Amino acid sequence: GQNIDQPTEMTATEGAIVQINCTYQTSGFNGLFWYQQHAGEAPTFLSYNVLDGLEEKGRFSSFLSRSKGYSYLLLKELQMKDSASYLCAVSYNFNKFYFGSGTKLNVKP
Amino acid sequence: GAGVSQSPSNKVTEKGKDVELRCDPISGHTALYWYRQSLGQGLEFLIYFQGNSAPDKSGLPSDRFSAERTGGSVSTLTIQRTQQEDSAVYLCASTPRTGGIYNYGYTFGSGTRLTVV
Repeated sequence: GQNIDQPTEMTATEGAIVQINCTYQTSGFNGLFWYQQHAGEAPTFLSYNVLDGLEEKGRFSSFLSRSKGYSYLLLKELQMKDSASYLCAVSYNFNKFYFGSGTKLNVKP
Repeated sequence: GAGVSQSPSNKVTEKGKDVELRCDPISGHTALYWYRQSLGQGLEFLIYFQGNSAPDKSGLPSDRFSAERTGGSVSTLTIQRTQQEDSAVYLCASTPRTGGIYNYGYTFGSGTRLTVV
């Protein structure tokens, strides 16, 4: 919903850096979350952005540009365990989030 | 409880039967959400509760779907006359309060995998 777009799938090499982009409809935007979901498991919270700029949390960082309707999740020093789907979720009111379809990240040795 | 608990974890049902899915949120979490995830798809919002009230039911796909929450805790999602297109993973999430999603995000349960045959 709300035109939340992410690439369907990406492949990267262990130890490398990967950037997963997310674009969304800007009207009514309140906030943006990134979630990680391993196959067969529930999504787990990674990061949250409300204001423009970069939020860094260990190997993971998330960036937001509200005027451009754009966010990215940056994963550094990739590990095999980072192979998962990464979901971008955007809030347009203060009670629920709309999720993108997710980006499946394959990390190769 | 320590986490969001959902039951059953798997449910196979015949087309046309009714099913009930249960969610037990984290103790003290007032906001509860139901989403569903079809194979290879993103999460689709169904309904959310603040306490026992459901201010937003906009995501329920049809009148075959209903949900209730009692005592500000356990919620039940009921699907009547199930169809094959209802097959999906149904995820429940909770937060301390609706504004709390900005501080805590959702905490998801492990989901109920529903298969309608």
